Amino acid sequence: QVQLQQWGAGLLKPSETLSLTCAVSGGSFSGYYWSWIRQSPGKGLEWIGESNYSGSTNYNPSLKSRVTISVDTSKNQFSLKLRSVTAADTAVYYCARVYCSTASCYDYWGQGTLVTVSS
Amino acid sequence: SYELTQPLSVSVALGQTASITCGGNKIGSKAVHWYRQSPGQAPVLVIYRDTNRPSGIPERFSGSNSGNTATLTISRAQAGDEADYYCQVWDSSTAAFGGGTKLTVL
Repeated sequence: QVQLQQWGAGLLKPSETLSLTCAVSGGSFSGYYWSWIRQSPGKGLEWIGESNYSGSTNYNPSLKSRVTISVDTSKNQFSLKLRSVTAADTAVYYCARVYCSTASCYDYWGQGTLVTVSS
Repeated sequence: SYELTQPLSVSVALGQTASITCGGNKIGSKAVHWYRQSPGQAPVLVIYRDTNRPSGIPERFSGSNSGNTATLTISRAQAGDEADYYCQVWDSSTAAFGGGTKLTVL
């Protein structure tokens, strides 16, 4: 059974860098793309971006200038960095496995991490 | 960016059939996926590529997609089906989600 376990700092000040990591177990890491998705309090889902095992990435154009998604194949982990955060970046952040090949759906999700940006 | 429109809320009587729509420009030409999200939980994929159910999802869940509207149908609705439901597509190398629909089972 594939499991995604995520962790990272939950409280940030404005202008700091958000950093989250997601560890994958129970399945292939190299055969998939891996994604980050967030959900602001009481709001819908927003796709942040994705990476495959070789570091090929796609990002949401609205966040692209501040986002980096990287992978560590030796540990079956992938990470999210979001620079210069503001209160608008307060959200629950999820990591997820990309399924459905060219149509990108998400079949396994991490437990979510609430990140709060406040001075 | 590609816009997906969902009703904010849908109500269904216990045991009846609920339909949740997802509107988008020529959405019938795209693969649509559906997720269920209970409070405090991560989303769960319930339908992928318009009509396919992942293992473990009951046959009561079905999907269709044509023209400008995709639909998630939940037959014989149960109290446990109460949740938020989101549609999603992949367009221009980005994922787009609908705003979500709160399903209430009466």
